[in-house]
Amino acid sequence: GAGVSQSPSNKVTEKGKDVELRCDPISGHTALYWYRQSLGQGLEFLIYFQGNSAPDKSGLPSDRFSAERTGGSVSTLTIQRTQQEDSAVYLCASSPRLIYGYTFGSGTRLTVV
Amino acid sequence: AQSVTQLDSQVPVFEEAPVELRCNYSSSVSVYLFWYVQYPNQGLQLLLKYLSGSTLVKGINGFEAEFNKSQTSFHLRKPSVHISDTAEYFCAVSERGSQGNLIFGKGTKLSVKP
Repeated sequence: GAGVSQSPSNKVTEKGKDVELRCDPISGHTALYWYRQSLGQGLEFLIYFQGNSAPDKSGLPSDRFSAERTGGSVSTLTIQRTQQEDSAVYLCASSPRLIYGYTFGSGTRLTVV
Repeated sequence: AQSVTQLDSQVPVFEEAPVELRCNYSSSVSVYLFWYVQYPNQGLQLLLKYLSGSTLVKGINGFEAEFNKSQTSFHLRKPSVHISDTAEYFCAVSERGSQGNLIFGKGTKLSVKP
């Protein structure tokens, strides 16, 4: 596609429910990144994919968070048993190579009530 | 480990005035440096980047930044701002040659007033 597409754009969920956030990167971009943006906290790195493998999962905040990427394209970030502190904007970015910088999606705003 | 410090969380400025948004980084190796802009309710957009070569980098919308290795800084400047420049600006760093992730600062909110 022309840009990085994320869905849904907004998600309200009850505490304890599981949620799935989807990212569709730019076609041909081998690297895909997930970040979390909380108010006043900047961008917190979560996980990075090169193709379908995740060389760096160091940013996932707990074992309730997981992510996968299939076919070197679409990625899904799953949060199990959501907590209120998970409320944030989840941003996805893709890149052909890091020196080109990232192209970001518009994000998914997750609200846990 | 790398880190990025954006010294000002908010910068108010009048239209047509010059502005400088400060960014300092910490790294034990050579780095790539980036500035991104986030307009309200939008994703982040790349403004400019420093990879190598000339330390003065020009980007979109009239912005420029200067890499200073001795000061470990990469400050963003614009000689005359517009109302439309109101946004949040993020500085980011990555290890040179890495294919890994960018480390972002906490952002600076630029507010341009008429």
